[in-house]
Amino acid sequence: EIVLTQSPGTLSLSPGERATLSCRASQSVSSNYLAWYQQRPGQAPRLLIYGASSRATGIPDRFSGSGSGTDFTLTISRLEPEDFAVYYCQQYGSSRWTFGQGTKVEIK
Amino acid sequence: EVQLVQSGAEVRKPGESLKISCKGSGYNFTTYWIAWVRQMPGKGLEWMGIIYPGDSDTRYSLSFQGQVTISADKSISTAYLQWSSLKASDTAMYYCALGATTGYWGQGTRVTVSS
Repeated sequence: EIVLTQSPGTLSLSPGERATLSCRASQSVSSNYLAWYQQRPGQAPRLLIYGASSRATGIPDRFSGSGSGTDFTLTISRLEPEDFAVYYCQQYGSSRWTFGQGTKVEIK
Repeated sequence: EVQLVQSGAEVRKPGESLKISCKGSGYNFTTYWIAWVRQMPGKGLEWMGIIYPGDSDTRYSLSFQGQVTISADKSISTAYLQWSSLKASDTAMYYCALGATTGYWGQGTRVTVSS
């Protein structure tokens, strides 16, 4: 199975700042089939990005994804109060999909 | 409107069996993978496995292989996750999700296993 390692574990930032989250895969992700999810407390995960860089329907353009192969990045250009949450990457390019362990973006 | 509606919360004792469900509507149930995801209290998301209801092709995470069974009944557009003998460590929220890129998730089923 492909292991996804997210860093940092926690990111402490202020509203308006830029957030950069990393997701590294133990082997190349086929066709860049890499997604990013946001999860707020008590809610189901929300799809932000798929195919490494395509925004899901209704996702604000302050969220962007980049990367290929084994290294992927989620960038939030200017943090809004509602963006403080936990973010997960997921690969779906192999027969067994996997999630990263998550990055918590907290208010500094 | 696409929806995945999961069955309600369950409380069971260790050693008991359980089957929870995820009913799809608003789309062709047979042509999308359905995934099951576990979230233990205060922890991250864990991918358990997927099923393709069209032909019942099923794949499991190595961590969950042999621990759970995923199935589907396409006649009623419903996918299932079942345990034959629950453990306290199965206490978690379980989500079903439609494919990997649709963004549609069920509301979650909370399973509590306690003596």
